[in-house]
Amino acid sequence: DAGVIQSPRHEVTEMGQEVTLRCKPISGHDYLFWYRQTMMRGLELLIYFNNNVPIDDSGMPEDRFSAKMPNASFSTLKIQPSEPRDSAVYFCASSLAGSRQPQHFGDGTRLSIL
Amino acid sequence: AQSVTQPDIHITVSEGASLELRCNYSYGATPYLFWYVQSPGQGLQLLLKYFSGDTLVQGIKGFEAEFKRSQSSFNLRKPSVHWSDAAEYFCAGGTGTASKLTFGTGTRLQVTL
Repeated sequence: DAGVIQSPRHEVTEMGQEVTLRCKPISGHDYLFWYRQTMMRGLELLIYFNNNVPIDDSGMPEDRFSAKMPNASFSTLKIQPSEPRDSAVYFCASSLAGSRQPQHFGDGTRLSIL
Repeated sequence: AQSVTQPDIHITVSEGASLELRCNYSYGATPYLFWYVQSPGQGLQLLLKYFSGDTLVQGIKGFEAEFKRSQSSFNLRKPSVHWSDAAEYFCAGGTGTASKLTFGTGTRLQVTL
């Protein structure tokens, strides 16, 4: 079975450019999570969706960050304009409904803002 | 506040030696707990999970963990470590009906030959 698919795997861009990260969750999963991982701050939850609806975006660092889930099989995380401090690995994860369901992670997008 | 703490940032063990990675939790109710492993350049992979019942849970790759309510701990163990176990390990917890998890800061495991 296909797992969570993220694209691109690597992104290098210059400061000020718009960056769009993409995620395809596991089919049938009701929840989708976006995380950011850095050496300094570890793994941070940015936002999560339930049935395509954003439930908690309190982890989104600034208005420069936005996330959408137009349908059950696709989500985007956008940074506009990007800054060097946004450099990190961004993970998408999905899970079935229910408090005891584990999250399944994609391989991440390594983002470098020059 | 609900939290998961991994006291050890980095641990080094010799191949073939036993391993124990510590995880402490702070929740008002009995949490559900997970251990994940992250190899370089990859996402987090689920090793095992605890919800209720038997406090010793078995996972993949020969790992096990024991839930100890009296110590608020959920330590990960493996009797004999292989060089391929070198990775970062994350403990995570949740409670109630929410699907949101709280992750620990991770423990990096180095295995010497």
